[in-house]
Amino acid sequence: RKEVEQDPGPFNVPEGATVAFNCTYSNSASQSFFWYRQDCRKEPKLLMSVYSSGNEDGRFTAQLNRASQYISLLIRDSKLSDSATYLCVVNEGTSGSRLTFGEGTQLTVNP
Amino acid sequence: ETGVTQTPRHLVMGMTNKKSLKCEQHLGHNAMYWYKQSAKKPLELMFVYNFKEQTENNSVPSRFSPECPNSSHLFLHLHTLQPEDSALYLCASSPRPGGAYNEQFFGPGTRLTVL
Repeated sequence: RKEVEQDPGPFNVPEGATVAFNCTYSNSASQSFFWYRQDCRKEPKLLMSVYSSGNEDGRFTAQLNRASQYISLLIRDSKLSDSATYLCVVNEGTSGSRLTFGEGTQLTVNP
Repeated sequence: ETGVTQTPRHLVMGMTNKKSLKCEQHLGHNAMYWYKQSAKKPLELMFVYNFKEQTENNSVPSRFSPECPNSSHLFLHLHTLQPEDSALYLCASSPRPGGAYNEQFFGPGTRLTVL
């Protein structure tokens, strides 16, 4: 079983659509969770951290379910500029900074 | 605008060459990392340095040799690489060695091709 598993994608949606990405992780001791965004041939950039109570940043909402070891990212009113690969990232524990990355889900927003 | 820079951005080398990748962070962070990103694979952690000391080597072959002279600079020395080592090599830094929500900031990467 992969340590971090994401929807395989790709997702192709029209502008203005709402799209949701799902991610599961295998290590129940994982402490912190992130969504990173990676544009084609660029480095990953932090999109948002995912907190236990869920959090929202503008059009983006992240949810965490520790019992199910599940993380989600919801994008509302999608823009052309949201086209990218979205990476689910898990920090294995508090004693180190070992980030484990999912394979990513590619999103294309079409005009 | 990233506070982590990497040079060179592109590198083509033969299997018998020796080259080095350089990373510099301007964020005042204490931890630095090397990752490898191959096509259609997730990022793989290679090495972790905390306060200049290597704290993790993720079973990386000895043909990759990291060096961290201070908290701001990180090198990856390459020798006798194989074509399958061709990938994007990413450097990252974080404020502290561990702890929850210790976000990592990435450099633009070096795209390496081994002929």
